[in-house]
Amino acid sequence: GAGVSQSPSNKVTEKGKDVELRCDPISGHTALYWYRQSLGQGLEFLIYFQGNSAPDKSGLPSDRFSAERTGGSVSTLTIQRTQQEDSAVYLCASSLVVLAGETQYFGPGTRLLVL
Amino acid sequence: DQQVKQNSPSLSVQEGRISILNCDYTNSMFDYFLWYKKYPAEGPTFLISISSIKDKNEDGRFTVFLNKSAKHLSLHIVPSQPGDSAVYFCAASATSGTYKYIFGTGTRLKVLA
Repeated sequence: GAGVSQSPSNKVTEKGKDVELRCDPISGHTALYWYRQSLGQGLEFLIYFQGNSAPDKSGLPSDRFSAERTGGSVSTLTIQRTQQEDSAVYLCASSLVVLAGETQYFGPGTRLLVL
Repeated sequence: DQQVKQNSPSLSVQEGRISILNCDYTNSMFDYFLWYKKYPAEGPTFLISISSIKDKNEDGRFTVFLNKSAKHLSLHIVPSQPGDSAVYFCAASATSGTYKYIFGTGTRLKVLA
């Protein structure tokens, strides 16, 4: 497609379960970013990929969070043993290259609710 | 430690008037700034940006002003239209840094018809 897509759009899970969130970036974009937005909060940076490698994982809240990117395209964010505080909208963005000032194009997000 | 702050969570403006959204930052290494607009249930979309070598950038009804000494930027929308009603995020990055953007908490703008 023309834009960044994310799936699922909504996910309800029980505390303690694992979830996988998927991001399909714009074709040809080498940079991919994950953010989350908790209720009433701004966008919190989680991790970014340059190609398939993740130079900056500093935003991952805990070791329950991990992400991977394969083939320089699709990325998966995995949250293990979900907690209620993980409830948020998880946003993925991509940009042509990794460069400060490069416009990031966002997907619609995955709304995660942990009961 | 909130490096990018948007101290006004909401703003209401009459249609046709000017909307001014403010953003403050603390990190002097930031040298590139962007504004994003977000509608409900959608991802943020890029609106306008400014590099620290400039103090103003204009694109149609949208103008961003940067005051480096005050570590402050603002977005002006003139004239405001009901379709501008959205949440606006400012973001900052440092070209010498790790290429990630630091976002503010957003300001919800409501343009009244």
